[in-house]
Amino acid sequence: DAGVTQSPTHLIKTRGQHVTLRCSPISGHKSVSWYQQVLGQGPQFIFQYYEKEERGRGNFPDRFSARQFPNYSSELNVNALLLGDSALYLCASSSLTSGNRGTQYFGPGTRLTVL
Amino acid sequence: GDSVTQMEGPVTLSEEAFLTINCTYTATGYPSLFWYVQYPGEGLQLLLKATKADDKGSNKGFEATYRKETTSFHLEKGSVQVSDSAVYFCALSGPLEELVFGKGTKLTVNP
Repeated sequence: DAGVTQSPTHLIKTRGQHVTLRCSPISGHKSVSWYQQVLGQGPQFIFQYYEKEERGRGNFPDRFSARQFPNYSSELNVNALLLGDSALYLCASSSLTSGNRGTQYFGPGTRLTVL
Repeated sequence: GDSVTQMEGPVTLSEEAFLTINCTYTATGYPSLFWYVQYPGEGLQLLLKATKADDKGSNKGFEATYRKETTSFHLEKGSVQVSDSAVYFCALSGPLEELVFGKGTKLTVNP
């Protein structure tokens, strides 16, 4: 089975622009989460979606938004990009079944560079 | 809020040495605990997990035991290989089952 897939792999934008990142979860997983990983740090939680509804949000500004589609794929949108948004953006999927609560499987990430 | 503290790196070992990476946590309730590994230029791979106190997670020779009394989940391996060189992250599942990560520990294993 395919794992979590993300696109694009790399992206270069300039300050003030908008970006959309995409993620497809593992087949059968209904929950998608997004994380930001700044160089040299651990990933920080941005959003979690389950069955197309926002289930949780981390401490990120309103410039960050996301949505989940009927096929459980997801998009992360960031408006008015800042230099500090340069990071690896990771998508993770999970099944949220009782035997696997909290277990998330990550994609390869999208490396965003803001110039 | 919930948090994870890992030992500062980097850690440099010779092949076949014993590895310990310390991890302690602060959380309300009883979270699941995880170790993830990140190889250069890649995403995170789940290495092992434990869901309740005294559980031992193990995979590929790595082990970690969920210690509620010391709020710890230290990662150990008896004999490291060059291929184990990577960044290791300790994490817990938060109240929304989001993952809360430590800052990571970079391991380099020399032949």
